[in-house]
Amino acid sequence: GQSLEQPSEVTAVEGAIVQINCTYQTSGFYGLSWYQQHDGGAPTFLSYNALDGLEETGRFSSFLSRSDSYGYLLLQELQMKDSASYFCAVRGSGNTPLVFGKGTRLSVIA
Amino acid sequence: DSGVTQTPKHLITATGQRVTLRCSPRSGDLSVYWYQQSLDQGLQFLIQYYNGEERAKGNILERFSAQQFPDLHSELNLSSLELGDSALYFCASTPSGRTTDTQYFGPGTRLTVL
Repeated sequence: GQSLEQPSEVTAVEGAIVQINCTYQTSGFYGLSWYQQHDGGAPTFLSYNALDGLEETGRFSSFLSRSDSYGYLLLQELQMKDSASYFCAVRGSGNTPLVFGKGTRLSVIA
Repeated sequence: DSGVTQTPKHLITATGQRVTLRCSPRSGDLSVYWYQQSLDQGLQFLIQYYNGEERAKGNILERFSAQQFPDLHSELNLSSLELGDSALYFCASTPSGRTTDTQYFGPGTRLTVL
């Protein structure tokens, strides 16, 4: 099976940079995804890493180290609207479904 | 707006009852996934359909069933409802040519069992 660990809560200041870590254990590995979910809203796809390294999409970047079974989501120039829950998710192999972490609640303060 | 639609938005019912949740994937998407999200359990995968056929199954209770119709919309049926079934139910779809890792979620159905 798969299991993921991520911090339950993170607080950061508007305009700053925050990193949300995710470690995973899985038999087989296809990739690490990140999703954002605002309170009362639906999860929204942010990024996907299948290979080691950093992927950048605007203010958001995602990193993966397959050898360390570790990844992170980096949010730069934080804005109040970034306050949300962030989930990492892994897919073990083939058509196995995504398994989501329990989520990190990010609070951006002024 | 992800392009995935779900109805109804809210549903309040009593224990022992049966309900049906409906999902229409994005135009052209063949895969549909159902998830249950509750405060203490996070986002739990229930079941996946691909072009009308069941593709993968998660921790879906025997009281729950789903199907995907020829027009690709999907329905999740929940029966003999219990208080613990109160949760947000999401469906999601994956664009053709993309992997399961990229999913677009609908707005969800909030089910309250009294």
